[in-house]
Amino acid sequence: AQSVTQLGSHVSVSEGALVLLRCNYSSSVPPYLFWYVQYPNQGLQLLLKYTSAATLVKGINGFEAEFKKSETSFHLTKPSAHMSDAAEYFCAVSDIPGANSKLTFGKGITLSVRP
Amino acid sequence: GAVVSQHPSRVICKSGTSVKIECRSLDFQATTMFWYRQFPKQSLMLMATSNEGSKATYEQGVEKDKFLINHASLTLSTLTVTSAHPEDSSFYICSARDRGGSSYNEQFFGPGTRLTVL
Repeated sequence: AQSVTQLGSHVSVSEGALVLLRCNYSSSVPPYLFWYVQYPNQGLQLLLKYTSAATLVKGINGFEAEFKKSETSFHLTKPSAHMSDAAEYFCAVSDIPGANSKLTFGKGITLSVRP
Repeated sequence: GAVVSQHPSRVICKSGTSVKIECRSLDFQATTMFWYRQFPKQSLMLMATSNEGSKATYEQGVEKDKFLINHASLTLSTLTVTSAHPEDSSFYICSARDRGGSSYNEQFFGPGTRLTVL
């Protein structure tokens, strides 16, 4: 079984400030980890993914995340927040590839960016 | 990149009617498609996994007779909400896995369908 924990439901930062969104996972097998962003009334867009290669993963829009096995974490960061980053962010974990492997999502975090 | 479309984007219907939502992979073939439901300010809950040419696999607690899923081709899956009631009102999102994609299990998501049952 696998699960994702995203602590807190809302993060507010000032424009230009560091963004840090936390994600911890639980998985019985080596995980594949994902961060998705969702804008209002839209589907999910993949920001980045960890697939057992480099532990520091760079994604789109200046986001990156680091896989830390010892901490079972995959926190998302961005050095300087932009107003357009305001959205809902979901961390997800998947088990090994296969015909019926599934994504398990965290409950999501709302990011607000103050001018 | 891989594109998944959903139709309609928004639908309002009367209680007791059935509603069909289409999910299409536009530029790739998808052997597996997934249907999720999302309540306001909440996460995505997997409803069912749809494999082309076979019966869908439903998650525990999801009524298969209520939410009919058909995956008749490698580019199309449909979700039919039968005899819809106000409690079925939600945001429904589909995703698709590229048959020819890499091994890391990436799913491509549609834009979602907002269902409102009056």
